[in-house]
Amino acid sequence: ETGVTQTPRHLVMGMTNKKSLKCEQHLGHNAMYWYKQSAKKPLELMFVYSLEERVENNSVPSRFSPECPNSSHLFLHLHTLQPEDSALYLCASSHDTSGNTIYFGEGSWLTVV
Amino acid sequence: GIQVEQSPPDLILQEGANSTLRCNFSDSVNNLQWFHQNPWGQLINLFYIPSGTKQNGRLSATTVATERYSLLYISSSQTTDSGVYFCAVPSVDSSYKLIFGSGTRLLVRP
Repeated sequence: ETGVTQTPRHLVMGMTNKKSLKCEQHLGHNAMYWYKQSAKKPLELMFVYSLEERVENNSVPSRFSPECPNSSHLFLHLHTLQPEDSALYLCASSHDTSGNTIYFGEGSWLTVV
Repeated sequence: GIQVEQSPPDLILQEGANSTLRCNFSDSVNNLQWFHQNPWGQLINLFYIPSGTKQNGRLSATTVATERYSLLYISSSQTTDSGVYFCAVPSVDSSYKLIFGSGTRLLVRP
């Protein structure tokens, strides 16, 4: 238990579906992150939020839309995804964006069919 | 950008054996983190170690920042140590943007 909870753990969606991944952290952190882990590729940073403001969008296609309503919650809205978007999506948090220890959730395994 | 290389890429151990995993990085960094990813996908932070040596139970880590490498030692390995071990360092332009190595996949056999 790292204090970062992700739901759902597994998701299968069609290319025309709209779904969302949810992340909640119970650590009192101010920074939250979405990472993508594809097979045989290093973890890739997708988005960073600091105090609910987006500070990084790492060239992510617009079919991925993040939302951070408060410092404890982070969403990743998914629409019209492609099969190559199938991956493990990991949420993480840290005290702030100055390079502190980062804590990851359990991940959401996404399959796009 | 900064390059992070881990070795070996794969490692098989008999339970009880010791091992050393290595992480090399191409530029000066002010922190380094080691993670263990279990077979279910969760990444657990093992060490935040910008320099020096830290120990946590059977695991210890050493970072020699001036020589741009870090080592993770696993002693008396157990089957639950299986998984993938990643090191990560911050990018040069953003302290929050971690650059991950490709990992060392460890299998500990009973």
